[in-house]
Amino acid sequence: QSALTQPASVSGSPGQSITISCTGTSTDVDAYNYVSWYQQHPGKAPKVIIYDVTYRPSGVSNRFSGSKSDNTASLTISGLQAEDEADYYCSSFTVSSTWVFGGGTKLTVL
Amino acid sequence: QVQLQESGPGLVRPSETLSLTCAVSGGSISSNYWSWIRQPPEKGLEWIAYIYHSGSTNYNPSLKSRVTISVDTSKRQISLKLSSVTAADTAVYFCARKQEGTWGTFDIWGQGTKVTVSS
Repeated sequence: QSALTQPASVSGSPGQSITISCTGTSTDVDAYNYVSWYQQHPGKAPKVIIYDVTYRPSGVSNRFSGSKSDNTASLTISGLQAEDEADYYCSSFTVSSTWVFGGGTKLTVL
Repeated sequence: QVQLQESGPGLVRPSETLSLTCAVSGGSISSNYWSWIRQPPEKGLEWIAYIYHSGSTNYNPSLKSRVTISVDTSKRQISLKLSSVTAADTAVYFCARKQEGTWGTFDIWGQGTKVTVSS
């Protein structure tokens, strides 16, 4: 299984919005609504911020939102804050009952 | 609240077998799926394997020939064995719980255990 495709880096200024894309295939992203997004700060474990494409776990800011169209999922962060600077990973459940992650996107808040 | 704590040797010689353990506390190990996920230095996440409390398993095809995942419900532990390790297996290894009610996500992660493969 191949990793999902994410941009290596994105950046934005405080208060702005950014979007991170995650492109897969018909056997993962396009197969189910089982796409998640994780935020990872340096030296920490990943934390889920979006699951099942659009759902936010309790306690996650509503500045984070997710969507999907065909084989591409997207994470949008609105009202960027300094604390949002982190690595972001998408993942998808696959038709083989496995999971695949994206390569990760480094978000820089300017 | 369920907590996960990974443990392992830290350093493994090339060609040897890596053995890791994940201790589950604060909740049931049953009726849940448990996974191992790794992250090489400065790289992305890679899912390795999952196990259900009943023993049902599945593996990443790229690692399947070298990996064994197991569960000991009495000890509340999930274990991972990775054979014939090379430098490419150097990584932080996380255990994680699949969120109940969906196949979509891992809602609880351990803090990870760092493994270096070197002679």
